[in-house]
Amino acid sequence: DIQMTQSPSTLSASVGDRVTITCRASQSISRWLAWYQQKPGKAPKLLIYKASSLESGVPSRFSGSGSGTEFTLTISSLQPDDFATYYCQHYDSSPYTFGQGTKLEIK
Amino acid sequence: EVQLVESGGGLVQSGGSLRLSCAASGFTFSSYVMHWVRQAPGKGLEYVSAISTNGDRTYYANSVKDRFTISRDNSKNTLYLQMGSLRAEDMAMYYCARYSGTYRGVDYWGQGTLVTVSS
Repeated sequence: DIQMTQSPSTLSASVGDRVTITCRASQSISRWLAWYQQKPGKAPKLLIYKASSLESGVPSRFSGSGSGTEFTLTISSLQPDDFATYYCQHYDSSPYTFGQGTKLEIK
Repeated sequence: EVQLVESGGGLVQSGGSLRLSCAASGFTFSSYVMHWVRQAPGKGLEYVSAISTNGDRTYYANSVKDRFTISRDNSKNTLYLQMGSLRAEDMAMYYCARYSGTYRGVDYWGQGTLVTVSS
């Protein structure tokens, strides 16, 4: 199985900051990676698919990059609504494992 | 509008069984691979099971293999997860999710149904 490792586990930041979350795969997954945002008590919401494609309706301050084994999710200017937990998930081959999550907290 | 609505969760004793359902609408259910993903309280997401469009191929995480069975009824636009020999570690919110294929991955999620296992 492909292991996904996210870092950091927790990130403290302020409104307006630029933040980056990293996701590493234990082997190459080409660009088959998605990013999700989850708020407490809610289902995950798709933000980015195929490493860098922005889901419809998602603000353009969110962007994704990477290929192979290393990927990043960047939020260019944090807004109050962005404080949540973020997960990466690969979909290269079953099982489609998730990273352990990054909790983005208000500093 | 794509909608996935889970049901069937609840309180069950350790060793017991439960069947979860996921009613799909707003898309051609029979054309999509479907997944179950769970999240234990305060923990991350765990990929549990998946089923092909016509149900002939299934996947199970090692943690649920031989205890859970995924199935679907395309005539009813419904996905199922039959859970047996439930353990404390199976206690979680269970989400069904639509897999849109290799381009988009998993794009829609239900709101989840909570399974509580008591000892």
